[in-house]
Amino acid sequence: QKEVEQNSGPLSVPEGAIASLNCTYSDRGSQSFFWYRQYSGKSPELIMSIYSNGDKEDGRFTAQLNKASQYVSLLIRDSQPSDSATYLCAVKRNYGQNFVFGPGTRLSVLP
Amino acid sequence: GAGVSQSPSNKVTEKGKDVELRCDPISGHTALYWYRQSLGQGLEFLIYFQGNSAPDKSGLPSDRFSAERTGGSVSTLTIQRTQQEDSAVYLCASSLTGGAFYEQYFGPGTRLTVT
Repeated sequence: QKEVEQNSGPLSVPEGAIASLNCTYSDRGSQSFFWYRQYSGKSPELIMSIYSNGDKEDGRFTAQLNKASQYVSLLIRDSQPSDSATYLCAVKRNYGQNFVFGPGTRLSVLP
Repeated sequence: GAGVSQSPSNKVTEKGKDVELRCDPISGHTALYWYRQSLGQGLEFLIYFQGNSAPDKSGLPSDRFSAERTGGSVSTLTIQRTQQEDSAVYLCASSLTGGAFYEQYFGPGTRLTVT
């Protein structure tokens, strides 16, 4: 089992819809969780971080964390074609090389 | 403020040559990470520096790869005797510290092409 798993996609949603991106992790000691967006040919860009169970909202983005289920998700409301990118989930352990990235989910928002 | 910078942005080299890639982290950031990303692939961890601690080199793919960080700031990734499979984008990232609740910020990357 990989430490951080994501559906590779592509996930296609129509413009204006809610895009839901999911991530599971295996290390129960993980303490913090991050979502990055990566446009083709560009480097990853931090969207959100979440540390506590529950929801965290920032504009059109909502991150959800459930540590008991070892699950973190990102919701994008009112999806726009400009949201089309690969979304990387990252989990931070509290030891060693502590950032672990998932393989990413490719999102395509169709106009 | 200034973000993570990397140089060069592109590097084309012949197989067998050595290359050096440079990373300037965000000022004051003590944690520095190197990754590589092959075309269409995920991020592959290479090496992690945290302050004055011994670096975590567990991701370096072979002994042709090495990295150093001088004065706790600038880092250089060196690839000796480059091979075609080394062609990838090399990404550097920094974080305020290696602690649990600090985000990581990426530089623009260096695209390495080995011919």
